[in-house]
Amino acid sequence: DAGVTQSPTHLIKTRGQQVTLRCSPKSGHDTVSWYQQALGQGPQFIFQYYEEEERQRGNFPDRFSGHQFPNYSSELNVNALLLGDSALYLCASSYGRGETQYFGPGTRLLVL
Amino acid sequence: AQSVTQLGSHVSVSEGALVLLRCNYSSSVPPYLFWYVQYPNQGLQLLLKYTSAATLVKGINGFEAEFKKSETSFHLTKPSAHMSDAAEYFCAVSGPGANSKLTFGKGITLSVRP
Repeated sequence: DAGVTQSPTHLIKTRGQQVTLRCSPKSGHDTVSWYQQALGQGPQFIFQYYEEEERQRGNFPDRFSGHQFPNYSSELNVNALLLGDSALYLCASSYGRGETQYFGPGTRLLVL
Repeated sequence: AQSVTQLGSHVSVSEGALVLLRCNYSSSVPPYLFWYVQYPNQGLQLLLKYTSAATLVKGINGFEAEFKKSETSFHLTKPSAHMSDAAEYFCAVSGPGANSKLTFGKGITLSVRP
């Protein structure tokens, strides 16, 4: 049973560029949440997708956007990258009414 | 709003000693509480969770935690530390309700001395 997968594992971008991160949920899961983990900090909630719609959103600017596909996979897009966007981006999946989120290995983004 | 406080950023124990990692939460609604572990350069792995059933929760790798409403605490313990327990530990709160966002503490680094 495949767990949550994310791609790419690492990414280097320069300020002002745009980036797309991808996530495939655990088999049987239909909800995807994205978190940003800055160095030395706990993860911060960005947003959550269910039935291809954004269901909840954290305190992140509109530069952060997402999408969920019919197969439940998801993308996180960040526009106009800032140095402060450098972080580990974690995707978590869960099922319907379930309260437990399972995390992928993350994508480490470095903005130069 | 919900929040989690994990006091101290680093705990060091000897192999075989008791592990105690503290977590206090703030929530205006009955919370769901979680402990996750993160090994270097990896994602988060669920250790255990409290979702309003038994207040003493047992998790993987010999860890357990007790929900104490009066103290708003959910401390993580393990009777005997193993070298492989060295990692970053995060306490998180959510809910109630399905698919509520997780709010994490800043994490505690656990070191285990031989």
